Amino acid sequence: DQQVKQNSPSLSVQEGRISILNCDYTNSMFDYFLWYKKYPAEGPTFLISISSIKDKNEDGRFTVFLNKSAKHLSLHIVPSQPGDSAVYFCAASPKGGSEKLVFGKGTKLTVNP
Amino acid sequence: DAGITQSPRHKVTETGTPVTLRCHQTENHRYMYWYRQDPGHGLRLIHYSYGVKDTDKGEVSDGYSVSRSKTEDFLLTLESATSSQTSVYFCAISEYSDLSVYGYTFGSGTRLTVV
Repeated sequence: DQQVKQNSPSLSVQEGRISILNCDYTNSMFDYFLWYKKYPAEGPTFLISISSIKDKNEDGRFTVFLNKSAKHLSLHIVPSQPGDSAVYFCAASPKGGSEKLVFGKGTKLTVNP
Repeated sequence: DAGITQSPRHKVTETGTPVTLRCHQTENHRYMYWYRQDPGHGLRLIHYSYGVKDTDKGEVSDGYSVSRSKTEDFLLTLESATSSQTSVYFCAISEYSDLSVYGYTFGSGTRLTVV
């Protein structure tokens, strides 16, 4: 049973436009949500996170929005750059402290020049 | 970046042979993890470790075993490799039990092909 879902396997956008990557979750016990970026032949790298007590967190061009009632979060990249082309994974951490992240299947973002 | 290295980076092995992948960290982090990444499945947890000689199973642990005799090393063993274990394997480390902000730091991965 998939607890973290990224329903779009791929997304293509033009350079300079906004990229919106979506993630849905089913477990209401998730407390923190994280986004990772992965380039080919490299390990995933931490991008941005958000606590369940917030609805928005911003870091430069990257903003994550959390809608707890809908169990939905999204990552916005503005403006998108060709270097942002990568696979993006959404991950969640259960409440009360847990040593294990639960990952979605990933969305491959392609930013076209 | 965090000192985490995986070896080997690439390996081709035959069905039925044992294979050991190594993860080595220089950060003295308590928690270590092994994930596999497959198309259409994302990242799935195989095994993880809370500390020396303290390990537990993840969601796809069948066919795999792990050992952690030292803080810095976490070994993943495929006792008898099968073609379904062809994958990219990632090791990750974390100092924090709640993963609230920093999450994991990942290694660069080991691409394993079982023929």
